[in-house]
Amino acid sequence: DTEVTQTPKHLVMGMTNKKSLKCEQHMGHRAMYWYKQKAKKPPELMFVYSYEKLSINESVPSRFSPECPNSSLLNLHLHALQPEDSALYLCASSHGGRWQPQHFGDGTRLSIL
Amino acid sequence: EDKVVQSPLSLVVHEGDTVTLNCSYEVTNFRSLLWYKQEKKAPTFLFMLTSSGIEKKSGRLSSILDKKELFSILNITATQTGDSAIYLCAVEPRLGSGGSNYKLTFGKGTLLTVNP
Repeated sequence: DTEVTQTPKHLVMGMTNKKSLKCEQHMGHRAMYWYKQKAKKPPELMFVYSYEKLSINESVPSRFSPECPNSSLLNLHLHALQPEDSALYLCASSHGGRWQPQHFGDGTRLSIL
Repeated sequence: EDKVVQSPLSLVVHEGDTVTLNCSYEVTNFRSLLWYKQEKKAPTFLFMLTSSGIEKKSGRLSSILDKKELFSILNITATQTGDSAIYLCAVEPRLGSGGSNYKLTFGKGTLLTVNP
């Protein structure tokens, strides 16, 4: 188990559903990230929040909507997803300032029917 | 565009063998290079390298960075079946101020299989 907690671990949803992925860390990290990872590929950065403000959006489609309610929580709201959005969604966090690495959660495995 | 190339893409060895995984990179404004191990879930952090020539070591794993030649190697000695995983190399660019710009660029990974 990692210190970055993601829920749910698995999610199956239809293309018309609305769901949310959640990520939590209590390490005092000020930067939080969403990555998408397809099978046999490396993680691809989607969003970065720094001090609760969105600092990077890697041209992600609007059907993915991130939210950072506070410094410990990061959500990813999903709406009208496509089958090609099926992937492992990883959350990560880092101190954001010092020479500290990003730490990853176990991910949510998302399947779009 | 930042680029990370790992080799080999896959490797099969027997327990007890020593392996060397390679990572070469091109990045504007280099800050650090990171190695992660990924089994079925989260990539777990192994090493962060920022200075050239300094070896980082943890048990049977070690890594070194060559900033002049723009590559890093990850060595695993006396391999065990539990070392079977994908090993990911990533580079982190820096801002002008020296801080991180947060955008890790990952290589495709090396799939290591250690057979008993």
